[in-house]
Amino acid sequence: EPEVTQTPSHQVTQMGQEVILRCVPISNHLYFYWYRQILGQKVEFLVSFYNNEISEKSEIFDDQFSVERPDGSNFTLKIRSTKLEDSAMYFCASSEEGQGNGELFFGEGSRLTVL
Amino acid sequence: DQQVKQNSPSLSVQEGRISILNCDYTNSMFDYFLWYKKYPAEGPTFLISISSIKDKNEDGRFTVFLNKSAKHLSLHIVPSQPGDSAVYFCAASAPGNTPLVFGKGTRLSVIA
Repeated sequence: EPEVTQTPSHQVTQMGQEVILRCVPISNHLYFYWYRQILGQKVEFLVSFYNNEISEKSEIFDDQFSVERPDGSNFTLKIRSTKLEDSAMYFCASSEEGQGNGELFFGEGSRLTVL
Repeated sequence: DQQVKQNSPSLSVQEGRISILNCDYTNSMFDYFLWYKKYPAEGPTFLISISSIKDKNEDGRFTVFLNKSAKHLSLHIVPSQPGDSAVYFCAASAPGNTPLVFGKGTRLSVIA
């Protein structure tokens, strides 16, 4: 069964460092997303990506964040200068249709710990 | 601003009994609702969804009920099994490919 894969599963970094989280969405999906979950809190939307551009982003997704689809398979989230409050589980997701029309398939998540 | 609320952080149910997980929402524009299940160290997995034009959707042991006037939905699992023990997230979206809004989740424990 096709699945969304994410690497790394866990990354520990120092405050101020750049971090890149990688995702391989399901191959025939057209919509890609990043969500995050701070420990004990709800899953929060960060950004959606379609047709090689950001289609929607939340207030959380400020100038420190960027996304890229560098090739036909990878979808990356970059945090330019990490802050302590960026510590969270980051989930990549993909879907065939947009969020309002079908299910999202999530990866297992990348845990980011900022020290 | 919690647009999707799951007021019970946890629920314990005996194996074989019915589990009822509740979810309330405030945004009347939401027209599509989903339930996701999440095991530890895994990402959320889609479980079942319902469109606002329906009030019930059933898939095996899982049934979702939607009460639009009360802005309330619930997930029923019957009979509950130990493998159902997980965190269940309610999510909702408005028309136009808007982002899913998740609740905080309810941890279900099914006791054998």
